[in-house]
Amino acid sequence: QQQVKQSPQSLIVQKGGISIINCAYENTAFDYFPWYQQFPGKGPALLIAIRPDVSEKKEGRFTISFNKSAKQFSLHIMDSQPGDSATYFCAASWPGGTSYGKLTFGQGTILTVHP
Amino acid sequence: DVKVTQSSRYLVKRTGEKVFLECVQDMDHENMFWYRQDPGLGLRLIYFSYDVKMKEKGDIPEGYSVSREKKERFSLILESASTNQTSMYLCASSLGWDANTEAFFGQGTRLTVV
Repeated sequence: QQQVKQSPQSLIVQKGGISIINCAYENTAFDYFPWYQQFPGKGPALLIAIRPDVSEKKEGRFTISFNKSAKQFSLHIMDSQPGDSATYFCAASWPGGTSYGKLTFGQGTILTVHP
Repeated sequence: DVKVTQSSRYLVKRTGEKVFLECVQDMDHENMFWYRQDPGLGLRLIYFSYDVKMKEKGDIPEGYSVSREKKERFSLILESASTNQTSMYLCASSLGWDANTEAFFGQGTRLTVV
C-alpha cells in the first residue's frame, strides 16, 4: 500500500516557468515531510523539508506548501532552470522513538526543464 | 564531506546466485537503510538497522537479508537472486533516532539478474 502518492510522474517545463509537484499522504501520524532531488547516476539528496506546524517553507527558488487538513503537500520550483532537471521524490516519516529515520517515499517525478 | 559509499555501481549476476551488496558510511551514523528504486514505484525500504547487529524489516524484505557487524558497514544479501530483483539499490544513513534528520544516500548499485 502506497502511503504517499506523488503526481505527476513526469513534468516538462520551459526555462523560467514554475514547476509544481504534488503529494498526498494517508498516515496522519506523519510529521516530517522532506523532498529529495536525484540527478542521473547519483543518489537522492535532501532538497528541502517541512514540519506540519507551518503551512509554507521557502528556500531560494524552492517552496513547500503544506495543507494538513487535506493531507497534501507540494513542491514549487520558481524560475525553473535546465539545471533543475532531475527526479524529485516527496517523502514522509513519523515521530521519533520507533521511527529511526525511516522514510516513506512517493513514486517520483521526472522533471525536464527545456532551455 | 559526508559520504556513503556503495561497493559497486553495476553488477550482473545469474539467477540463483548469492549476491552481496556492501555499503560503508563515514559519518558515525546510527541508522542505515537499504532501499530499492524502481520506475513508477519510487524508493521502497527493504531493511534498516539502528545499531550494530540490530536489524528491522522494511516494506519489502522477502528474498533479502542484511548484516551489520560494524557501525559503519551495512550489507544487503540476496540469498538466491531472481530476475524480479533486477533493480537499483540505494544505501542510506542518518543520525540518531530522531526522524527529522537528513538521510544521506550512496550513489546506488544497479543490479541485473539474468
